[in-house]
Amino acid sequence: SYELTQPPSMSVSPGQTASITCSGDKLVYKYASWYQQKPGQSPVLVIYEDYKRPSGIPERFSGSNSGNIATLTISGTQAMDEADYYCQAWDSSTVVFGGGTKLTVL
Amino acid sequence: EVKLVESGGSLVQPGGSLRLSCAASGFTFSSYWMHWVRQAPGKGLVWVSRINSDGSSTSYADSVKGRITISRDNAKNTLFLQMNSLKAEDTAVYYCASSRSGSYSCDNWGQGTLVTVSS
Repeated sequence: SYELTQPPSMSVSPGQTASITCSGDKLVYKYASWYQQKPGQSPVLVIYEDYKRPSGIPERFSGSNSGNIATLTISGTQAMDEADYYCQAWDSSTVVFGGGTKLTVL
Repeated sequence: EVKLVESGGSLVQPGGSLRLSCAASGFTFSSYWMHWVRQAPGKGLVWVSRINSDGSSTSYADSVKGRITISRDNAKNTLFLQMNSLKAEDTAVYYCASSRSGSYSCDNWGQGTLVTVSS
């Protein structure tokens, strides 16, 4: 079965850039999506179709997908961006999520 | 405003059954694909199942295939998840999520409903 791999955790200083990676075999041929989940809350879509931002998502969130790696980039990271982030893709009519990355802003 | 409200979660014994519901409003439900995604306590998101807009096509994660059935009632704007032969490892918060037709992402999510499988 298809797998998406993310680093379990990472930290970033306020105002700096956070880049969260998601690796999967030939991921470039699938659309990658990204979700933010804060403690006790439901996930929120922040990037879809590799790089598109839903309405209401700040411009500091961006995405890319090349080769086997999709990347979520948060520019000028703020304290409110501290959360778990999950990548997601489709494979053979099923949906796959990455294991999630806990982003700490300190 | 898109709204998804799950219900039906409870404590159930191993081997038991449960039916979850997801009431949708604020969008044309019959035009959207729908998903169930679960999250065990302290763990990550795991996709469970999806159904297309008219209910004619479904797919399931291998871990639940044969035990879980997804369905929908477009006249009542409601999504269902029938869960049978429940196991302890099915314990999780179950979210319903919507996808616009042709979308590769889960655009909106409900607040989730907790299923606990324990004796």
